[in-house]
Amino acid sequence: AQTVTQSQPEMSVQEAETVTLSCTYDTSENNYYLFWYKQPPSRQMILVIRQEAYKQQNATENRFSVNFQKAAKSFSLKISDSQLGDTAMYFCAFIFNNNDMRFGAGTRLTVKP
Amino acid sequence: DTGVSQNPRHKITKRGQNVTFRCDPISEHNRLYWYRQTLGQGPEFLTYFQNEAQLEKSRLLSDRFSAERPKGSFSTLEIQRTEQGDSAMYLCASSPTLAPSYNEQFFGPGTRLTVL
Repeated sequence: AQTVTQSQPEMSVQEAETVTLSCTYDTSENNYYLFWYKQPPSRQMILVIRQEAYKQQNATENRFSVNFQKAAKSFSLKISDSQLGDTAMYFCAFIFNNNDMRFGAGTRLTVKP
Repeated sequence: DTGVSQNPRHKITKRGQNVTFRCDPISEHNRLYWYRQTLGQGPEFLTYFQNEAQLEKSRLLSDRFSAERPKGSFSTLEIQRTEQGDSAMYLCASSPTLAPSYNEQFFGPGTRLTVL
């Protein structure tokens, strides 16, 4: 069974600084996709970044980047130059073969001014 | 706006009543998913459709829950004889089956259900 673990229930960071959110997963599949989703308070979930497991290069999207370690089954998210609008719940998610998505329990990130 | 929409956004009901939620996916997306999210937790999979066919159901989906997607477009999720434990946010998502967004799911705003 595929499981996703986020070991940091809450984190905080000062505005303009860098923060890294951790995620590990367990699967026997070889071709899969990993995602980080952001869910602001009382707002809908939006995609932050995606990583295809067959790609060795780590994905980046502006201030967001990942450190994908396939052998270690680790998929961390780095947010650079944190902004107040980054305050949200962040969910790590796993999917293969376009089936159901498995989510971690989430990390609540607070960016402090 | 061509995003995923869900109605109603909020529903308050009394225990034992039936409720129905609607999801309208992004029009060109073949797959539609339902998830349940309780406070402080990640979404949990309930069921998904490819076009009008329901391909998988989670064991979380008891026989009081039923979902349909009759014409492969919008979907409904019905909960019969609601219980207080059904109180949660019900999320709908859709995804295409072709690249470049293959496997990416686009979420709606959710329907928050409160069972009194």
